[in-house]
Amino acid sequence: DTVLTQSPALAVSPGERVTISCRASESVSTLMHWYQQKPGQQPTLLIYLASNLESGVPARFSGSGSGTDFTLTIDPVEADDTATYYCQQSWNDPWTFGGGTKLELK
Amino acid sequence: QVQLKESGPGLVQPSQTLSLTCTVSGFSLTSYNVHWVRQPPGKGLEWMGRMRYNGDTSYNSALKSRLSISRDTSKNQVFLKMNSLQTDDTGTYYCTRDPNYGGYSDYWGQGVMVTVSS
Repeated sequence: DTVLTQSPALAVSPGERVTISCRASESVSTLMHWYQQKPGQQPTLLIYLASNLESGVPARFSGSGSGTDFTLTIDPVEADDTATYYCQQSWNDPWTFGGGTKLELK
Repeated sequence: QVQLKESGPGLVQPSQTLSLTCTVSGFSLTSYNVHWVRQPPGKGLEWMGRMRYNGDTSYNSALKSRLSISRDTSKNQVFLKMNSLQTDDTGTYYCTRDPNYGGYSDYWGQGVMVTVSS
């Protein structure tokens, strides 16, 4: 299975720029996607195919990367962005998710 | 308006079988894939399997021996059955929609919490 590795947590101040990384154990081309999950809620899609912004998602969110290294950027961060962020690959089955990065605001 | 809603028992005894239903609206099961994803309390997400738009199924090999996914297109429902439940199967179970290209979930149900306990 393709293992996706994320940093477990980040803390930033509102208005700052934050980058959340996801590293794959093998190349997944651009078949990488990002989700946001707030406490008690289901995940929601932010970015698909590495860099495409899902409809309705603020332009403060962006994604980049290909192969094994991917980044989700939030610029500027707002208080409402407090959540856990997951990457997910669909290059091969089973789909796998990163362990999640919990974003906290200072 | 696309919606997915999971339903099923909140409590299952160890060694028993879990049966969940995902009822969808706003799209056709013959045009989109539907997946099942689960999340243990306080932990990350695990992909379980999919029902493709054409009726084919795929399963996570870690669960394949215990898992079955089926559907009733006339009722707009996808079903999950998993046997031999253990306590580490406790968690929230989600069904999701996948637009068939690229392999991501653009809509998620609200999830159903399942506790495995005697």
